[in-house]
Amino acid sequence: KAGVTQTPRYLIKTRGQQVTLSCSPISGHRSVSWYQQTPGQGLQFLFEYFSETQRNKGNFPGRFSGRQFSNSRSEMNVSTLELGDSALYLCASSLAVSGVWVDYEQYFGPGTRLTVT
Amino acid sequence: QKEVEQDPGPLSVPEGAIVSLNCTYSNSAFQYFMWYRQYSRKGPELLMYTYSSGNKEDGRFTAQVDKSSKYISLFIRDSQPSDSATYLCAMRRNSGNTPLVFGKGTRLSVIA
Repeated sequence: KAGVTQTPRYLIKTRGQQVTLSCSPISGHRSVSWYQQTPGQGLQFLFEYFSETQRNKGNFPGRFSGRQFSNSRSEMNVSTLELGDSALYLCASSLAVSGVWVDYEQYFGPGTRLTVT
Repeated sequence: QKEVEQDPGPLSVPEGAIVSLNCTYSNSAFQYFMWYRQYSRKGPELLMYTYSSGNKEDGRFTAQVDKSSKYISLFIRDSQPSDSATYLCAMRRNSGNTPLVFGKGTRLSVIA
């Protein structure tokens, strides 16, 4: 079974620009979560989507947004990039039946390394 | 105080040593406890998962949860150079599909 894929793997952007990152979950997984990982703050939860609906949201500004498509693929967007947005952005998918995680395991993708200059 | 505290290390041990990795937490509502391993330039992968208190063993890995002390541990026996990675503890509450809360991770190096 193919794992979680994320594109692109690496990205360099300039302050003020916007960026869109993509995540394809494991086939059959309907829950997708996004995390930001930095050396200073570690892994921090951004948001979670299930059946195209955002179910949970972390403490990030409104510049961070996401969406999920009917095929469970997800995108996250960061507008007006700041230097502090440089991080590894990780996507994780989970098997969820009727909205409830089945095995509580999240499978992570390799991440997108975003550098803002 | 952060909800989950984890010593970032780095921790360096000789091959064959027993490694002990720990996390403390402040939220007594946490019920599910996980350990993830993350190699350089890779996403985290789940190593161990336990519910509530107790021990769980899987090969060379043992996870312990002490809810009375709000303390969890991961032991690695007969450590190998391939165990060199960052180990992240994670936990979540027992209500709905609440998100995982992660420790910052401990970087481990096993020297051959």
